[in-house]
Amino acid sequence: DSGVTQTPKHLITATGQRVTLRCSPRSGDLSVYWYQQSLDQGLQFLIQYYNGEERAKGNILERFSAQQFPDLHSELNLSSLELGDSALYFCASSVVASLTGELFFGEGSRLTVL
Amino acid sequence: GESVGLHLPTLSVQEGDNSIINCAYSNSASDYFIWYKQESGKGPQFIIDIRSNMDKRQGQRVTVLLNKTVKHLSLQIAATQPGDSAVYFCAEIRSGYALNFGKGTSLLVTP
Repeated sequence: DSGVTQTPKHLITATGQRVTLRCSPRSGDLSVYWYQQSLDQGLQFLIQYYNGEERAKGNILERFSAQQFPDLHSELNLSSLELGDSALYFCASSVVASLTGELFFGEGSRLTVL
Repeated sequence: GESVGLHLPTLSVQEGDNSIINCAYSNSASDYFIWYKQESGKGPQFIIDIRSNMDKRQGQRVTVLLNKTVKHLSLQIAATQPGDSAVYFCAEIRSGYALNFGKGTSLLVTP
């Protein structure tokens, strides 16, 4: 158990819909990262927050947004969903702002868009 | 383009043998590399890391080798066990931010 909690574990929805994925980082970790994993693209970095502020952006679509709340949990919002958004979405956390050490990953939220 | 890639998508080894998983990178400015392991149904798990000023780093049963001349990274697993069966990812870090991990190499350990 990494200590990172993600909900929901599974989510099935239709194209055009909007969903919210939630992540609780390890106790004491200030940095939260979101990754998307699909069969054809591998593990793709989406966005990072540190202590409530956006720290870095990766390959995140404009239809996607995220935030980190004062209690350090984070939410990833996916809107106008397309079939290609079906993937595993991972949250990871670390103590520091810069990625120079170990990331602790949750078990992921599997999104299926029909 | 700049990317991290894996030479082999799948690797099958016998239990007890040593495993070598390779990774190529294209950006000489990368200063930090990490190997992760992902078991079925779980999130990636940190294995070992290495900084660009090092050629080799050893952990428990694992060794990472970095060859900056040819921009190549490898993960060696000694005495491979069935529990080592997983997908292995390498990632290169530049300026403290993670890039894409790539598709990974699937390691299958057979009895």
